[in-house]
Amino acid sequence: DVKVTQSSRYLVKRTGEKVFLECVQDMDHENMFWYRQDPGLGLRLIYFSYDVKMKEKGDIPEGYSVSREKKERFSLILESASTNQTSMYLCASSERLAGGSYEQYFGPGTRLTVT
Amino acid sequence: AQKVTQAQTEISVVEKEDVTLDCVYETRDTTYYLFWYKQPPSGELVFLIRRNSFDEQNEISGRYSWNFQKSTSSFNFTITASQVVDSAVYFCALSEDRDNYGQNFVFGPGTRLSVLP
Repeated sequence: DVKVTQSSRYLVKRTGEKVFLECVQDMDHENMFWYRQDPGLGLRLIYFSYDVKMKEKGDIPEGYSVSREKKERFSLILESASTNQTSMYLCASSERLAGGSYEQYFGPGTRLTVT
Repeated sequence: AQKVTQAQTEISVVEKEDVTLDCVYETRDTTYYLFWYKQPPSGELVFLIRRNSFDEQNEISGRYSWNFQKSTSSFNFTITASQVVDSAVYFCALSEDRDNYGQNFVFGPGTRLSVLP
């Protein structure tokens, strides 16, 4: 069974703290993603990675960085957390399917509150 | 640019009622894929269906059915005889064929469905 896990379900941090969100997938997928989910905005892509040590910016990368040292692990880093980064963070991995589309598999999400 | 609109922010129905969730998309590509995901209170997005732009056949899976109409750029989702367990946020998403890594999934804002007993 496909599995994407995230290190924390709930996290509370203070403004200015450095925050690490970890994501692990066991499907040997090359592509991994970090989204944030806010009410009324759906999911917005922060960063993605298509290979170990490779990363690309998504739609809203400001204030975030990522790390992918191993294929199965993709970390999202908030260098200096701010209150406007309070959100639900979802990690996903994907595989390309025969016929050309992708299927994305999501983790359970981390609800981050920055006070 | 691609865009997905889900005009219904929240819907409440009573158990056993039928409910349709609307999805309207925009894309300039001729080859694209449409998806529906369910997000229950546990938070994890669950894949429900994928449809490619060349396949306009409607699909039924148990109490779920999907109506894809290219003429109106819509991909609506109907739940028949709704149940309390259907309560969730539902997302419609679009991916274009030139998406190299799956990075260009565009999600709609979601529709929160509440099914009352």
